[in-house]
Amino acid sequence: DQQVKQNSPSLSVQEGRISILNCDYTNSMFDYFLWYKKYPAEGPTFLISISSIKDKNEDGRFTVFLNKSAKHLSLHIVPSQPGDSAVYFCAASDRGSTLGRLYFGRGTQLTVWP
Amino acid sequence: GAGVSQSPRYKVAKRGQDVALRCDPISGHVSLFWYQQALGQGPEFLTYFQNEAQLDKSGLPSDRFFAERPEGSVSTLKIQRTQQEDSAVYLCASSLVQGGYGYTFGSGTRLTVV
Repeated sequence: DQQVKQNSPSLSVQEGRISILNCDYTNSMFDYFLWYKKYPAEGPTFLISISSIKDKNEDGRFTVFLNKSAKHLSLHIVPSQPGDSAVYFCAASDRGSTLGRLYFGRGTQLTVWP
Repeated sequence: GAGVSQSPRYKVAKRGQDVALRCDPISGHVSLFWYQQALGQGPEFLTYFQNEAQLDKSGLPSDRFFAERPEGSVSTLKIQRTQQEDSAVYLCASSLVQGGYGYTFGSGTRLTVV
């Protein structure tokens, strides 16, 4: 049973515009959320995270928003650049019961075109 | 080393063969994780080590899967009597702290069972 869901397998955005990647989760015990970025033939790279006590976290061009009541989070990339083209994974954890274990979504392939 | 190193990068095994996948974590990293990523899916947790202690092996899919980290550094994931459904990318990740979440992944080992 998929506890973290990324319902859009792909997203295509023009350079300079905003990219919005979405993620939903079902486990109400999840209290820490992360986004990873993955290029072909490489391992996922940590991008940004957010704790459930916050509703927004920003790091440069990347902002993650968390809506706990809707069990939804999103990653905004502004402005998008061609180098952002990659697969983005949403991940979640219940810090109270697991020792670093993450639950991942299936990923969204982002393509940023010039 | 500078990053998490996994070997081999690619492995083709005949069904029924035993395989061993190696992970060299970042020096000094306490936590080590193994994940399995099937085609088109997100990474799925297999097991977690804190130093040499295997604290969570709940994600191992069967007793054919075995992992060890005897000296608290290098880890080996062993799969006995491989089956076609074992075909996947096996990712290793390490973290400096216990239960750390923004961990560093290796590039993975792509296992193909024929």
